[in-house]
Amino acid sequence: KQEVTQIPAALSVPEGENLVLNCSFTDSAIYNLQWFRQDPGKGLTSLLLIQSSQREQTSGRLNASLDKSSGRSTLYIAASQPGDSATYLCAVSPFTGGGNKLTFGTGTQLKVEL
Amino acid sequence: DTGVSQDPRHKITKRGQNVTFRCDPISEHNRLYWYRQTLGQGPEFLTYFQNEAQLEKSRLLSDRFSAERPKGSFSTLEIQRTEQGDSAMYLCASSHPLGTGSETQYFGPGTRLLVL
Repeated sequence: KQEVTQIPAALSVPEGENLVLNCSFTDSAIYNLQWFRQDPGKGLTSLLLIQSSQREQTSGRLNASLDKSSGRSTLYIAASQPGDSATYLCAVSPFTGGGNKLTFGTGTQLKVEL
Repeated sequence: DTGVSQDPRHKITKRGQNVTFRCDPISEHNRLYWYRQTLGQGPEFLTYFQNEAQLEKSRLLSDRFSAERPKGSFSTLEIQRTEQGDSAMYLCASSHPLGTGSETQYFGPGTRLLVL
């Protein structure tokens, strides 16, 4: 059974700092990995998707890397802003050729302070 | 806006009552997923549809839960004889797989259920 772990569970940083969020998964047979953002009481917003054949994806101040063999992904946020405060979730989908059901970690709750 | 919508956004019910949630996916997305999220946890997969066919159900989906997607458009999730343990956020997502490993799921705002 796939298990996804995210470290740290919570993080508080001053504005402007660069930071790294970590995600690890136990079964390397994945189809892709997605990073999501969730604001309190809201749904999820997709940030980045990395296909299993890719090593990284970038979008603006965000960069996500994937090392499938070691079962790890990182989300790098450059020059953090208070608006980045949210919970960040990573999720992997199985390489089954069927549905893309996602297995999520429990998230990292980020607070960026002024 | 053509994002995923869910209705209602909040539902309070008494134990033993039936509730039904609706999800309208992004148009032309042929896959639709239901997840459940409890406080402090990541979402957990419940079931998914490809067009109108329900192709997979999680062990979490007890026989009190039923989901439908008639005509491959909107979907409903019904919970019968609700229990306090059903209290959670129910999230719907839709996607259009490109067959290249790139299948971004787009989530709705969720329906928060509280069973008293």
